[in-house]
Amino acid sequence: DIQMTQSPSSVSASVGDRVTITCRASQGFSKWLAWYQQKPGKAPKLLIYAASSLQSGVPSRFSGSGSGTDFTLTISSLQPEDFATYYCQQANSFPLAFGGGTKVEIK
Amino acid sequence: EVQLVESGGGLVQPGGSLRLSCAASGFTFSYYLMTWVRQAPGKGLEWVATIKQDGSAKYYVDSVRGRFTISRDNAKNSLYLQMNSLRAEDTAVYYCVTYSTSSRSFDYWGQGTLVTVSS
Repeated sequence: DIQMTQSPSSVSASVGDRVTITCRASQGFSKWLAWYQQKPGKAPKLLIYAASSLQSGVPSRFSGSGSGTDFTLTISSLQPEDFATYYCQQANSFPLAFGGGTKVEIK
Repeated sequence: EVQLVESGGGLVQPGGSLRLSCAASGFTFSYYLMTWVRQAPGKGLEWVATIKQDGSAKYYVDSVRGRFTISRDNAKNSLYLQMNSLRAEDTAVYYCVTYSTSSRSFDYWGQGTLVTVSS
């Protein structure tokens, strides 16, 4: 089974900052990694799929990269609406698995 | 517009059973793998189970295998989760989610239904 480890678990940042979140897999795989954003009391929202493909309607300040065991989500210029919790998820094989989450907080 | 509406959550005693339902609309239900994802209070997301389009294959997280059963009725555009032998650690919001085979991601989510296991 593939386990996903996210870091950091939380990050404090200011509007306009560049934020990078890392997800590490216990076994390597090519590209089947997705990223989600969740705001309090709401269902998660898909941001990135296949490691680097932007979901329709998601702002271009979000980007994803990586393959093998290391993947990253980057927010190029943090906006007020981006303060939320972010999760990675491996979709390479069953059982599917999420990372533990990264909370992006206001500095 | 895609809509996924969960129902059936509530308070149940340890060892009890509950059946969750998800009514889908706005897309061709039979084309999608369907999934249940849960989130314990204040915790992260956990994948629970996925079922193929025709129900021919089902996948479960180890912690629920043998206790939970995922099923679907394509004629009724509905997804189900039968939960037996419930434990306190099953307390969570349960989300009904579509799983796209092309993008291998969870693209549409319901609003969730809360299951509380407590005496």
